[in-house]
Amino acid sequence: AQSVTQLDSHVSVSEGTPVLLRCNYSSSYSPSLFWYVQHPNKGLQLLLKYTSAATLVKGINGFEAEFKKSETSFHLTKPSAHMSDAAEYFCVVSLPLLGGNTPLVFGKGTRLSVIA
Amino acid sequence: GAVVSQHPSWVICKSGTSVKIECRSLDFQATTMFWYRQFPKQSLMLMATSNEGSKATYEQGVEKDKFLINHASLTLSTLTVTSAHPEDSSFYICRAGTGGRLNTEAFFGQGTRLTVV
Repeated sequence: AQSVTQLDSHVSVSEGTPVLLRCNYSSSYSPSLFWYVQHPNKGLQLLLKYTSAATLVKGINGFEAEFKKSETSFHLTKPSAHMSDAAEYFCVVSLPLLGGNTPLVFGKGTRLSVIA
Repeated sequence: GAVVSQHPSWVICKSGTSVKIECRSLDFQATTMFWYRQFPKQSLMLMATSNEGSKATYEQGVEKDKFLINHASLTLSTLTVTSAHPEDSSFYICRAGTGGRLNTEAFFGQGTRLTVV
């Protein structure tokens, strides 16, 4: 069975400081991992994804994440927070090896606040 | 990337009425559609999975007679909330799956905010 744990429900940072949003996963197989961002009353936007290629994944808007199999982690980082980064972030796991249309498993989300 | 269009983006309806939400894949064939529900400040919960031409598979606890899903073509799936009640107020999001390894890409609609008064 797959599961995703986002370790912080809320993270608050000052503008211009680094962002770290933590995610741990549990999967019986080699997973695909995603980070999505959701602004209020909006749909989901894909930030980045890991699908068994390079373990350090670069995404949009300066975000990146590193897949660490030994730690079963996929933490999201950004060197310098911007006010527009304030949103809800979801860590998501899927199983690519099974093929077909497998559902995604969502973490509970981390709300990022950016203070001016 | 692939585009999924969800309509309407928001809707207000009276208790007891039905509401239909459409999800269209604009530039690819969606063999599978997933419907999610999101309560305020919570994560997305999978409601049901539908394959084109087949009956939807509902997650435990989701009333199939209340949330009717139709996936009659490879580019359109609909979710109908029947006899809506205030507790059905939520944010509903569809996701289109293309099958195979491409399924690791998740193409979401923009979401529909349903408010039942």
